[in-house]
Amino acid sequence: EVQLVQSGPEVKKPGESLMISCEGSEDSFTHYWIGWVRQMPGKGLEWMGIIYPSDSDTRYSPSFQGQVTISADKSINTAYLQWSSLTASDSGIYYCARAVGARGSTLDYWGQGTLVTVSS
Amino acid sequence: QSALTQPASVSGSPGQSITISCTGTSSDVGAYTYVSWYQQYPGKVPKLMIFEVSNRPSGVSNRFSGSRSGNTASLTISGLQAEDEADYYCCSYASGRTWVFGGGTKLTVL
Repeated sequence: EVQLVQSGPEVKKPGESLMISCEGSEDSFTHYWIGWVRQMPGKGLEWMGIIYPSDSDTRYSPSFQGQVTISADKSINTAYLQWSSLTASDSGIYYCARAVGARGSTLDYWGQGTLVTVSS
Repeated sequence: QSALTQPASVSGSPGQSITISCTGTSSDVGAYTYVSWYQQYPGKVPKLMIFEVSNRPSGVSNRFSGSRSGNTASLTISGLQAEDEADYYCCSYASGRTWVFGGGTKLTVL
């Protein structure tokens, strides 16, 4: 069974750095892209970026380019989402999801989400 | 890269059919048959309902169907049930392996 397990909730102060993770079974990571999606409180889904863990090929939404870093360690089947300096507007739930199909256009399995709260 | 346009809310009575539209551009919805739809209950993880415009994953009710015409994709739910009340999001491949979501539609079953 495909499973994506994300790291736990985080409470951070503005200016702090953060890395959250998404660990999957081998079925998830060997041949698929992994996408990251943000959901701000009470708002909709926003596509952030995507990575192919086998070779770390990464693409970003223009809205998130330069704001976050997506990486992966294929040896431990884990993808990461990283901020160097958080702001309050980074608060939200962050989901990872497996992207399959043509152009990786279908997010078929999702992690449980990681709640990030940034507050002074 | 702007979000796809969805109605903020739609409603219908049990047994009726409703359609949620998702309007993009000739660079996303109109250019690719890579539109998917997701259902999300409050506080829950999104669930894939339709992929590549009109395909249903295993386990999704055949009351859910998808289509596309020009720059607009649509999700139709027939035989509306109380359990269908949720938020629905469309998503389209854009270009350069980027994607864009719609703003979401809240479905209310009256």
